[in-house]
Amino acid sequence: QVHLQESGPRLVRPSQTLSLTCGVSGVSISSGDYYWGWIRQPPGKALEWIGYIYYSGTPYHNPSLMSRVIMSIDTSKNQFSLKMTSLTAADTAVYYCAGLSYDYRSFDYWGQGTLITVSS
Amino acid sequence: DIQMTQSPSSVSASVGDRVTITCRASQDISGWLAWYQQKPGKAPKLLMYVASSLQSGVPSRFSGSGSGTDFTLTITSLQPEDFATYYCQQANSFPYTFGQGTKLEVK
Repeated sequence: QVHLQESGPRLVRPSQTLSLTCGVSGVSISSGDYYWGWIRQPPGKALEWIGYIYYSGTPYHNPSLMSRVIMSIDTSKNQFSLKMTSLTAADTAVYYCAGLSYDYRSFDYWGQGTLITVSS
Repeated sequence: DIQMTQSPSSVSASVGDRVTITCRASQDISGWLAWYQQKPGKAPKLLMYVASSLQSGVPSRFSGSGSGTDFTLTITSLQPEDFATYYCQQANSFPYTFGQGTKLEVK
């Protein structure tokens, strides 16, 4: 059974950097069957795709966030990470990590999500 | 960016009803569309991929159709656990985008 779990600070100060890690179990992130990505959802709003990274390390970002987003992958730990810089209150959201099917481009697996609050 | 527009934004229905949700893309996305169900406080759950393929473990009362710009998700014989918010998502081109959601409520 595939399981994803986000971890990281829940409160971030404005202008600071968000750092989240997603631990994956039940599947090897090196298998090539999935991209590993991030989606966020502001309170009461719709979902927004942030980006994803392949096991080879190639990232794909949402252009609206690209200059602020850094993604990385650690195959030895079976985990991947997100850093987002220069946070503002508009970045307050539930952040999900997810596994995107390489073949069908659907988000098959999701973490439970973590609410990130940007506030001083 | 490709805009995904869902209709209706909300719908009220009763257990046993048939419900159809529509998703329209601002440009041709071929069949690169997925549907998700989200319940309050939970992560989205994949229902359908490539427009009409049912994800493993999802009840057969869910079905999807469409290609190009117009897609539908149909739920036949609504069950109590189906009341939730539904999202479509295109994966034809970057950035992948989601619809604004359709909230399915109890009548």
